[in-house]
Amino acid sequence: DAKTTQPNSMESNEEEPVHLPCNHSTISGTDYIHWYRQLPSQGPEYVIHGLTSNVNNRMASLAIAEDRKSSTLILHRATLRDAAVYYCLYRGSGGSNYKLTFGKGTLLTVNP
Amino acid sequence: EAEVAQSPRYKITEKSQAVAFWCDPISGHATLYWYRQILGQGPELLVQFQDESVVDDSQLPKDRFSAERLKGVDSTLKIQPAELGDSAMYLCASSWGASALSGANVLTFGAGSRLTVL
Repeated sequence: DAKTTQPNSMESNEEEPVHLPCNHSTISGTDYIHWYRQLPSQGPEYVIHGLTSNVNNRMASLAIAEDRKSSTLILHRATLRDAAVYYCLYRGSGGSNYKLTFGKGTLLTVNP
Repeated sequence: EAEVAQSPRYKITEKSQAVAFWCDPISGHATLYWYRQILGQGPELLVQFQDESVVDDSQLPKDRFSAERLKGVDSTLKIQPAELGDSAMYLCASSWGASALSGANVLTFGAGSRLTVL
């Protein structure tokens, strides 16, 4: 299974930037890094993904280390609606099968 | 915006009873996934379909769980008989791409079906 390491929890203040780290030291050169988040009582929601270059979308930015063994999800201005569990994951090595394996994620608390 | 539909939203059953969950993926999505999420943990993949074929069911407890996607569109996950340890959220997701393609294909999840077994 594809293993990632994330802090169990992080805390931020509203309107401040948040940097959520993830280690994925066993990632292969062709695996995309994905980030999803899960709000309370909802299914996970796609946030962003990338391969090598840093990526930006309307929700967040993804900074990928040059050796690809770690990445950071950046929320530029946290809001109360960003309070959620954030999952970092990548495709497993199940041959030709595409499989996303979730860990426990990081619980982000946003203080008003 | 297109959504993955799941029903029922909540289900309470007694152990040894049968229970079924239904999922309607986003139109045109070839790949469908069933995940189980126990409280406080991340989702665990139970079964993955490519069109109507199962491509991964390695984590599906086949003695009591079954899943089908007969026409390659909607899908049903069944548990018979239900056990206390089956209490969890059952999540369905779909993606456009075929399983053998790039890992860039993103998943869209439904709201889930929460099962409580008494």
